[in-house]
Amino acid sequence: SQTIHQWPATLVQPVGSPLSLECTVEGTSNPNLYWYRQAAGRGLQLLFYSVGIGQISSEVPQNLSASRPQDRQFILSSKKLLLSDSGFYLCAWSVRPRQGLGTDTQYFGPGTRLTVL
Amino acid sequence: AQTVTQSQPEMSVQEAETVTLSCTYDTSESDYYLFWYKQPPSRQMILVIRQEAYKQQNATENRFSVNFQKAAKSFSLKISDSQLGDAAMYFCAYRSPNTGNQFYFGTGTSLTVIP
Repeated sequence: SQTIHQWPATLVQPVGSPLSLECTVEGTSNPNLYWYRQAAGRGLQLLFYSVGIGQISSEVPQNLSASRPQDRQFILSSKKLLLSDSGFYLCAWSVRPRQGLGTDTQYFGPGTRLTVL
Repeated sequence: AQTVTQSQPEMSVQEAETVTLSCTYDTSESDYYLFWYKQPPSRQMILVIRQEAYKQQNATENRFSVNFQKAAKSFSLKISDSQLGDAAMYFCAYRSPNTGNQFYFGTGTSLTVIP
């Protein structure tokens, strides 16, 4: 069965410090991968998605970046954190079909709670 | 862009009773997918149920069922025989087959189950 891991589970960082959040998927190959942010009391905001190694699409302008160095690894980074980067970060994956743009179900990881002080 | 609206920020239900969570969406597309996700205090997002717009039959998963009204662009979730473990945030989501990588989420409904 497929599983998705995220770490760390919680993180407290000072403003201006760097960030690296990691997400890995097991039990599947060539997944589509996603990074979402959820601010307190808000819905989910798609930050990045990837359809393959080295292929990253950004949905919103920000001081965050994403990378996919391996097929089942997705990393969210920042060189200098802002207070507004605080939130709950969720990684998700979906099956990439042989044809078409994507499938209809996303599977989410346990999330990382980031607090920027 | 498509928008998803959940007009009930908070709902409560007595244990063993039935509750319905509302969701409406705005789209000009005829084919799409709709989802309900549950986010318990652990914060992990869990898929509850999904509905393909081309299917007229409402989706059902055990105690969870939907009332899909395509013309009204409404997609409500009914939870029957509510259990304490159902307490969570519930998010409605829309996915277009034309923008396969983009899910549009509502702002969520916080469900409290009263013992």
